Amino acid sequence: GEDVEQSLFLSVREGDSSVINCTYTDSSSTYLYWYKQEPGAGLQLLTYIFSNMDMKQDQRLTVLLNKKDKHLSLRIADTQTGDSAIYFCAESIRGYQKVTFGTGTKLQVIP
Amino acid sequence: DAGVTQSPTHLIKTRGQQVTLRCSPKSGHDTVSWYQQALGQGPQFIFQYYEEEERQRGNFPDRFSGHQFPNYSSELNVNALLLGDSALYLCASSLSGTDTQYFGPGTRLTVL
Repeated sequence: GEDVEQSLFLSVREGDSSVINCTYTDSSSTYLYWYKQEPGAGLQLLTYIFSNMDMKQDQRLTVLLNKKDKHLSLRIADTQTGDSAIYFCAESIRGYQKVTFGTGTKLQVIP
Repeated sequence: DAGVTQSPTHLIKTRGQQVTLRCSPKSGHDTVSWYQQALGQGPQFIFQYYEEEERQRGNFPDRFSGHQFPNYSSELNVNALLLGDSALYLCASSLSGTDTQYFGPGTRLTVL
């Protein structure tokens, strides 16, 4: 079955880059997602990558995928205080729309 | 273009009661999934509805049931509430054949 793991907490200074890491277990055709959740709110889809890709960039966000190690990372360039939130890594197997989430990484941005 | 909407925002119930939560999918989406997010945890998949039928189900007891209407909106019903059912319930919609789900703001359920 699928299993997704993340570190629980990350603290960075405003203006620095943040890198949030995730490992996943399923190696079949997979979509990998990054969601953002602010306090008391639902989940906002930030970006996603298919498992046959190595990298995807979208403005300040860069997703890197190491398929050999089943390691996914999200880099946020020029981190702002508004980026403070919990970031969830998630995966789904193509054709099975259940999404499996990690426990989330709380990003704290220090002004 | 309205995103996914859920109602109510907050709900307080007592043990043993029953609750119904509602979800309207994003315009153009035909598939609705429900997730339970306990405090400090990631969301856990409950089930998914497509063409008014339950298509996939997670590891949740039969006390959790759902329904999808012809307009693609959906309800989640939970019977015989337990204290452990207190959580944020999230609805996500998607278009069948795609793999990207968009989430609503959630319903915060508190069971006393």
